[in-house]
Amino acid sequence: GAVVSQHPSRVICKSGTSVKIECRSLDFQATTMFWYRQFPKQSLMLMATSNEGSKATYEQGVEKDKFLINHASLTLSTLTVTSAHPEDSSFYICSARDQCQSPNYGYTFGSGTRLTVV
Amino acid sequence: SQQGEEDPQALSIQEGENATMNCSYKTSINNLQWYRQNSGRGLVHLILIRSNEREKHSGRLRVTLDTSKKSSSLLITASRAADTASYFCATDAETSGSRLTFGEGTQLTVNP
Repeated sequence: GAVVSQHPSRVICKSGTSVKIECRSLDFQATTMFWYRQFPKQSLMLMATSNEGSKATYEQGVEKDKFLINHASLTLSTLTVTSAHPEDSSFYICSARDQCQSPNYGYTFGSGTRLTVV
Repeated sequence: SQQGEEDPQALSIQEGENATMNCSYKTSINNLQWYRQNSGRGLVHLILIRSNEREKHSGRLRVTLDTSKKSSSLLITASRAADTASYFCATDAETSGSRLTFGEGTQLTVNP
């Protein structure tokens, strides 16, 4: 089945630094990828829709300059948390859908990135 | 915005028992999907049910959808300790452009 690889799985960084998270579709092309944020014991909140070759679409309340998204190829989307602060600490997850899969199949998710800003 | 609500928030059962989780939503949908998440991991797709379907089965999973009540249920039969996880419903709304909206989730604990 479709596989989405997300790296790193865990990252600890100092306040003020930037962190890049990669999301790759391994065996399919993804013109669209989705980035979510999840706080402990809470649900997933959609942050943005990443579109290959064009600008990302951000959800209301998500700072575009804070969370930079680049989708330069059909298999790679990156999320960069710029000038990270402790309140940015969270679990970030990407997802994509293989359009060639059965329409009865949902989205494939990466394994997530646990970001801790100290 | 999160439009899905799930209940219960937490469910603890013994191995072999059935587990039922419910999900409600607010807008018209193309389909509703159920996902499972083990602690600190990504989500795994379990089952997708379309708006014109009422019931679907996959192994020990049974999903129902009532579009008139805007609700769905996930039944896991003969539960196992390995079923312990968080379960989320997600709706693909007609106006969402394929963006999923997740429910709040149910934390299922299956005790051996």
